[in-house]
Amino acid sequence: QKEVEQNSGPLSVPEGAIASLNCTYSDRVSQSFFWYRQYSGKSPELIMSIYSNGDKEDGRFTAQLNKASQYVSLLIRDSQPSDSATYLCAVRGYQLTFGKGTKLSVIP
Amino acid sequence: DAGVTQSPTHLIKTRGQHVTLRCSPISGHKSVSWYQQVLGQGPQFIFQYYEKEERGRGNFPDRFSARQFPNYSSELNVNALLLGDSALYLCASSLNSLAGGTGELFFGEGSRLTVL
Repeated sequence: QKEVEQNSGPLSVPEGAIASLNCTYSDRVSQSFFWYRQYSGKSPELIMSIYSNGDKEDGRFTAQLNKASQYVSLLIRDSQPSDSATYLCAVRGYQLTFGKGTKLSVIP
Repeated sequence: DAGVTQSPTHLIKTRGQHVTLRCSPISGHKSVSWYQQVLGQGPQFIFQYYEKEERGRGNFPDRFSARQFPNYSSELNVNALLLGDSALYLCASSLNSLAGGTGELFFGEGSRLTVL
């Protein structure tokens, strides 16, 4: 059973702080890794994709991938209340497998 | 450009009934995947279709079926509805097949099914 594990949270950070979200996966053949943001009652929205080891930055978001450790993370700098949502880690091998998501609350 | 469109957005059915959900992918995308998301969980893979052929199936009973049409739109059918089928059903569009590909998946707004 291919698994993607995330801490369900909730993770609470003050406005302006760095939020760190973590994800581990079990399938070593996984090729692509994604972070989706999902607001309550809405569908997942793709915010980051990463395919190779290292860091990838896009605005306030940085995705980090370590294939040897089967670990992927998302850092959100200068967190804003509008970042409050559930963040889903997704891993693509022969299918796209999601974690259960981490609920992030940014406190003003 | 239009994103992934799904219909209906909300629907209520009773146990034992049948439901059909529809999805139109992003223009130029040939792959459609279906996911079920129950409250508090991540999306669970149901089916993937690429070029009108089934390319993957998740761990769902035979009551769930799907197909893809020549214009790449897709339908998800669920027969003999159970209370546990109540969920948000998500359609995702991508350029290529999931297996061996590296492209991104984009989701529609979903169809929220309530079974009473």
